[in-house]
Amino acid sequence: DGGITQSPKYLFRKEGQNVTLSCEQNLNHDAMYWYRQDPGQGLRLIYYSQIVNDFQKGDIAEGYSVSREKKESFPLTVTSAQKNPTAFYLCATSDRAYSNQPQHFGDGTRLSIL
Amino acid sequence: AQSVAQPEDQVNVAEGNPLTVKCTYSVSGNPYLFWYVQYPNRGLQFLLKYITGDNLVKGSYGFEAEFNKSQTSFHLKKPSALVSDSALYFCAVRDGSAGNNRKLIWGLGTSLAVNP
Repeated sequence: DGGITQSPKYLFRKEGQNVTLSCEQNLNHDAMYWYRQDPGQGLRLIYYSQIVNDFQKGDIAEGYSVSREKKESFPLTVTSAQKNPTAFYLCATSDRAYSNQPQHFGDGTRLSIL
Repeated sequence: AQSVAQPEDQVNVAEGNPLTVKCTYSVSGNPYLFWYVQYPNRGLQFLLKYITGDNLVKGSYGFEAEFNKSQTSFHLKKPSALVSDSALYFCAVRDGSAGNNRKLIWGLGTSLAVNP
């Protein structure tokens, strides 16, 4: 989706290291989301934010942290407490949380352990 | 509790044949239903949605879906499959009724393979 940029496309984490995944959007959407995708497990919600300076835990927030200081940006930090971080991470946006409009997705970041 | 089921992990069809990818759901209120497609190493792309109104919804790339309230289903269909339709398809549902749990719930995905 051209309006959502995730970087980097590939990321490698060393033992005990925190890494940060970037998500930037120019769609002027209020709501932003982070999902984790593992083979055969579909999409699992990590964190979401309905508005600047506010965010809520999703289903699998342990070992992750986020911030929402600007409307355009919702970075995800994978901390050393996340023992199994290898996955495909997807950022999404929607005009509002709980609306009838679809979510829009970036092209993902694939995180692997070195 | 809200849930979505995609009963088939994989669907195989021959090019030119009709395709169906199945989705059933459970919500306590009014369902908002969505279909997305994912190509390898890409994000999800929105195909179509049902919110209210006509039970047959038309979407992108020639796909359509039929909302069936009595069977709580929202199957994705296409009259003539293309090899380029081969991808992973996700169904998602949200309870649209105020006051209920309104989180978006995702199915586990169905891998569609269209054979030439």
